Amino acid sequence: QLQLQESGPGLVKPSETLSLTCSVSGGSISSNNYFWGWVRQPPGKGLEWIGTIYYAGSTYYSPSLRSRVTISADTSKSQFSLKLGSVAAADTAVYFCARQRKGVGANPDAFDIWGQGTMVTVSS
Amino acid sequence: QSALTQPPSVSGSPGQSVTISCTGSTSDIAIYNRVSWYQQPPGTAPKLLIYDVSSRPSGVPDRFSASKSGTTASLTISGLQADDEADYFCCSYRSDNTLVFGGGTKLTVL
Repeated sequence: QLQLQESGPGLVKPSETLSLTCSVSGGSISSNNYFWGWVRQPPGKGLEWIGTIYYAGSTYYSPSLRSRVTISADTSKSQFSLKLGSVAAADTAVYFCARQRKGVGANPDAFDIWGQGTMVTVSS
Repeated sequence: QSALTQPPSVSGSPGQSVTISCTGSTSDIAIYNRVSWYQQPPGTAPKLLIYDVSSRPSGVPDRFSASKSGTTASLTISGLQADDEADYFCCSYRSDNTLVFGGGTKLTVL
């Protein structure tokens, strides 16, 4: 069955770039029926959508993070990645990658399969 | 980008029903049937319970049901069980091609 696994540094210094990769096993990210997204959750707080990518390259970003976020996909490795620049303490969170259904109108919809999440701390 | 509004907490006794509301706007819940609900026990990843307002993925019990009216979506859990105790989040698609989550609701089973 499809599984997602986040990987990347657990500690990032302020003002630097956070980089995470999501590896997808048991299936391909080159599916017409799905999008691939990133969600984060600061300690003790709620979920925040970061952004989403379609394998062909279309991207969708949270307005509040758009200026600092880049999501890309490598179909040959069945991976997609997140880069968040100029990080600060407020970016400390568990970062989840997830598969998203394609909704009516061919736009990203619900997150149906999630990775276990990876904790990223921003600190000097 | 304002989050959808959920009550911080709800509670109920085993066997009872509880309803969690999720209030959005005329830019999201009111005009799109793309509301989803997630269950997140402590220390775990969220799990999809409901998509497209009221559809259940395979394996989700029919004790979980959902609907929407106007700018508000609702999740109802009937026949409460101890392991229903978790955080619940709603999510909606928005007219600017973005997604937004609710702030989350902590369900306590008394």
